[in-house]
Amino acid sequence: DSGVTQTPKHLITATGQRVTLRCSPRSGDLSVYWYQQSLDQGLQFLIQYYNGEERAKGNILERFSAQQFPDLHSELNLSSLELGDSALYFCASSKLGTLYEQYFGPGTRLTVT
Amino acid sequence: GENVEQHPSTLSVQEGDSAVIKCTYSDSASNYFPWYKQELGKGPQLIIDIRSNVGEKKDQRIAVTLNKTAKHFSLHITETQPEDSAVYFCAASMKGTGNQFYFGTGTSLTVIP
Repeated sequence: DSGVTQTPKHLITATGQRVTLRCSPRSGDLSVYWYQQSLDQGLQFLIQYYNGEERAKGNILERFSAQQFPDLHSELNLSSLELGDSALYFCASSKLGTLYEQYFGPGTRLTVT
Repeated sequence: GENVEQHPSTLSVQEGDSAVIKCTYSDSASNYFPWYKQELGKGPQLIIDIRSNVGEKKDQRIAVTLNKTAKHFSLHITETQPEDSAVYFCAASMKGTGNQFYFGTGTSLTVIP
């Protein structure tokens, strides 16, 4: 158990809908990262937050957005969902001062029908 | 951006034999190289990492080697056991880019009892 929690574990929704995925980092970790894992694209970095501020952006679609709250939990919002958005979404966290090691949560499996 | 290639995509070994997985990276500025193990239905788990100022690191049955000149790094698992069966991912990262990870495409390792 990495100490990173994600909810929900599974999510099934229809095209065009909007969903919110939630992540709680390990105790003491200030950075949160979001990744998407799909069969054809592998593990891809989406976005990073550090202590409430956006720090880096990867291959994140404009339909997707994220935020990190004062209690350091983070939410990833996916809107106007398409079939191709079906994937595993992982959150990872790391500590201040040891920015390298990232610890992953168990993921949220999103299925868009 | 960084491009990480990983080989082989699948690997089968007999229990007790060694397994080697290789990765290459493209950006010489990359300075941190973690390896993750992902079991079915779980998030990636950090198993070992190496920084660019070190050529080799060992932790019990697993070791990682780094050749900065050739821009490649490898994971070595000795005395493999059935519980080593999983998908292994390499990644590369550099400071100054928000510490985002660029992942390889994964190696599915099967250890045959």
